Order: sequence, then structure tokens, then C-alpha cells
Amino acid sequence: DGGITQSPKYLFRKEGQNVTLSCEQNLNHDAMYWYRQDPGQGLRLIYYSQIVNDFQKGDIAEGYSVSREKKESFPLTVTSAQKNPTAFYLCASSSSQGLQETQYFGPGTRLLVL
Amino acid sequence: AQSVTQLDSQVPVFEEAPVELRCNYSSSVSVYLFWYVQYPNQGLQLLLKYLSGSTLVESINGFEAEFNKSQTSFHLRKPSVHISDTAEYFCAVRVYGGATNKLIFGTGTLLAVQP
Repeated sequence: DGGITQSPKYLFRKEGQNVTLSCEQNLNHDAMYWYRQDPGQGLRLIYYSQIVNDFQKGDIAEGYSVSREKKESFPLTVTSAQKNPTAFYLCASSSSQGLQETQYFGPGTRLLVL
Repeated sequence: AQSVTQLDSQVPVFEEAPVELRCNYSSSVSVYLFWYVQYPNQGLQLLLKYLSGSTLVESINGFEAEFNKSQTSFHLRKPSVHISDTAEYFCAVRVYGGATNKLIFGTGTLLAVQP
């Protein structure tokens, strides 16, 4: 089955620690996205990538980093500079950045701070 | 700046009753509109979308939404809800700006269907 997988489902971070969230897709999509979801705030865009080896900051990129070395993979690192990392993180992909393209979402990773 | 407003954070409703979830957007240019549904601890699933053509769009599970350009609205409706419709619903707008076409989400509406 084609789709988007995110791992782990739950992730715990200690103070000062960097953690990496995995996102893999087998939909052959060019564009991938990372969103952060907080209660009552909807989804906010962290980073997005339109093509391999290229990515851009979204609305709340501070304290996060990404890489896009392979088309199917778009890992997100939450660095120690992110002072309030507790949230639900959602990865998405679309076949292109076209206006009519639908974004498909993974099941999410919940990050908690110890 | 473009934005999406979902006025109701929660909508409680009894099973088999009709429901409307409101969504308004602000944009000075043409937009594409989406409704996503999120079940507890899961990702978002596309429910329906308006791209062009008929202003009334339908989903496979009985939801429908109508694009109203004059009122800049895209309200979601269902004539008779089921317990299984309990979820959070997000309205989203696709706009074009610079080098990217961003998807802007509303804050979500929790639909709570009671027996």
C-alpha cells in the first residue's frame, strides 16, 4: 500500500537534546512538508521541500532543521534551541506544489519533553 | 495576509441530527478550499475540496460543502450525523505567494456526536 509513515509514534526528549523525527513516503511525491499541531492552534508549517536537496523555511522554522537527501525521506530534527517542543508533528506530501494538489498526511509523531 | 477562521471550536450534536461546521477565509485572490478530518491521535485525511466548477462539493460519506465567494465561506454540512463522525475537522485554503503555494489551516472544530 502506498502512503506516508512516521516514526516513532511517541518520542521523549530530554533538556538540551536533539531528536529526529522520521518521515518516509512511497507515493513518488516530489513535495514534502512538516507541520506542528498544538491544541487550539491548528497546523503550522515548519519546513517544506519541493525537490530533493532543496527545502525552505515555513512559518515557525526556528529551532528545527531538515534534510532532503532522498525523494522518499524528509526527516525533521528538533534541536535544543526549540524551547517548547511538546506538540504533535505531522508530515505530509504532494505530487507537486501545484495549486490543485492534495496534501496527504502521515499518522503523526507526538513529542514530549521529560 | 490570508487567513482561515473556524468560529466554533466545538460542536456537540445528537446522533442523526444535522450539523454545519463554519469556515470563512480572507483572501484578495482566487483560492482553493479543502476540508480535512482528523480522528484521535491520527493524521489528517482529505474529506473534500473545491477547485473549480460547481460550488457544491460532496464527500463519499455524506458530507458536503458549498463555496460562497460573496461571503468568502466554505461551510461543511451533513444532514444526519453518526457517532463515527466524531472527529476534529479542519478547513484549509491554498494560496499562491512567491515560490510556494502554502496550505493555510483554520484552528479546527471538534464535532462531538452524542447518542
